[in-house]
Amino acid sequence: DQQVKQNSPSLSVQEGRISILNCDYTNSMFDYFLWYKKYPAEGPTFLISISSIKDKNEDGRFTVFLNKSAKHLSLHIVPSQPGDSAVYFCAASARNTDKLIFGTGTRLQVFP
Amino acid sequence: DVKVTQSSRYLVKRTGEKVFLECVQDMDHENMFWYRQDPGLGLRLIYFSYDVKMKEKGDIPEGYSVSREKKERFSLILESASTNQTSMYLCASSLKLRTEAFFGQGTRLTVV
Repeated sequence: DQQVKQNSPSLSVQEGRISILNCDYTNSMFDYFLWYKKYPAEGPTFLISISSIKDKNEDGRFTVFLNKSAKHLSLHIVPSQPGDSAVYFCAASARNTDKLIFGTGTRLQVFP
Repeated sequence: DVKVTQSSRYLVKRTGEKVFLECVQDMDHENMFWYRQDPGLGLRLIYFSYDVKMKEKGDIPEGYSVSREKKERFSLILESASTNQTSMYLCASSLKLRTEAFFGQGTRLTVV
């Protein structure tokens, strides 16, 4: 049972435009969410996180939005750059568990 | 900067062999994790440890065991490797549970 879902396996965006990556979750106990970026043959690197007490967190070109009622979060990258081309994973953690649960990933390609 | 180092980038092992994957972190983190990454399945948690000699099963512990004799080192053991354990294995560490985890570069294991 996939508790964290990324329904778009891939996304292609032109350089300079906005990239929007989506993530849905089913467990209402999740209260901490993270986004990671992964290049081929490398480990994931942490990008940005958000606690459930917030609905938005911003760090430079990256903004994460959380809609608790819809159990949905999204990562916005503005403006997109070719170096952003990677696989993006969302992850979630719950109050009653120590696990970090990852989604299946979305491959972002930013073309010139 | 946190450094998480996995002992091998690539490994090829035969079915039935006992396999050791080693991971070392240099930031005195309490928590360490082993994930595997497979296409379409994202990152799945195998085991994690929140203290020396302590371990907890993740979502897919079958066929694996772990060892944490020292705080900085977390080993994943495949007791008898099988072809369905061919995967990318990722080690991670975090200072506190439910905070961002830092990943190693990954070990691509092929079992033939």
